[in-house]
Amino acid sequence: NAGVTQTPKFQVLKTGQSMTLQCAQDMNHEYMSWYRQDPGMGLRLIHYSVGAGITDQGEVPNGYNVSRSTTEDFPLRLLSAAPSQTSVYFCASSSPSHNEQFFGPGTRLTVL
Amino acid sequence: RKEVEQDPGPFNVPEGATVAFNCTYSNSASQSFFWYRQDCRKEPKLLMSVYSSGNEDGRFTAQLNRASQYISLLIRDSKLSDSATYLCAVNVGNTDKLIFGTGTRLQVFP
Repeated sequence: NAGVTQTPKFQVLKTGQSMTLQCAQDMNHEYMSWYRQDPGMGLRLIHYSVGAGITDQGEVPNGYNVSRSTTEDFPLRLLSAAPSQTSVYFCASSSPSHNEQFFGPGTRLTVL
Repeated sequence: RKEVEQDPGPFNVPEGATVAFNCTYSNSASQSFFWYRQDCRKEPKLLMSVYSSGNEDGRFTAQLNRASQYISLLIRDSKLSDSATYLCAVNVGNTDKLIFGTGTRLQVFP
């Protein structure tokens, strides 16, 4: 039981490049979410999904896309990276009955 | 007003001290409350859920005050290993979405 896994652990992009941050969970959780964490800002919700085929925006969705084709996977796409997207990205999942979220180890992204 | 607010600290306390953190929330419809612990450069991990009646887990006690819309975390007999950032999380109204506070940093010194 791996829990929530994220790849890559580190990434450096140039402004304008695109990339996908991968997130997978093996706990059969319906709810998955993406957060970014910046110094002094705490965790801010980017996008979330309550089940396969359903996604919705969080607090800071601009510049990011998500899809949820399976229960296990919830990738986050940066369409055209900007320096303001330099951050640590955490993926999380939870079951509907508990709300308790389990986090992946994070992806540290730097956009130059 | 932010949906969830915490004092960022840092709280610097000696070993053995008792320390308490508060976290206020703005949505009176929120039903789920949590405290997470985050070590430097690591992911947040659930410390404890906060129940209406309050709950205790060893040296840690969490309480909910619905009237004043805040939750609290009390740590007794602080250990060096308690040094971390403590994040509160509150669900948004009647949804599964969790909103996190910015975290309170605790540093326990010998």
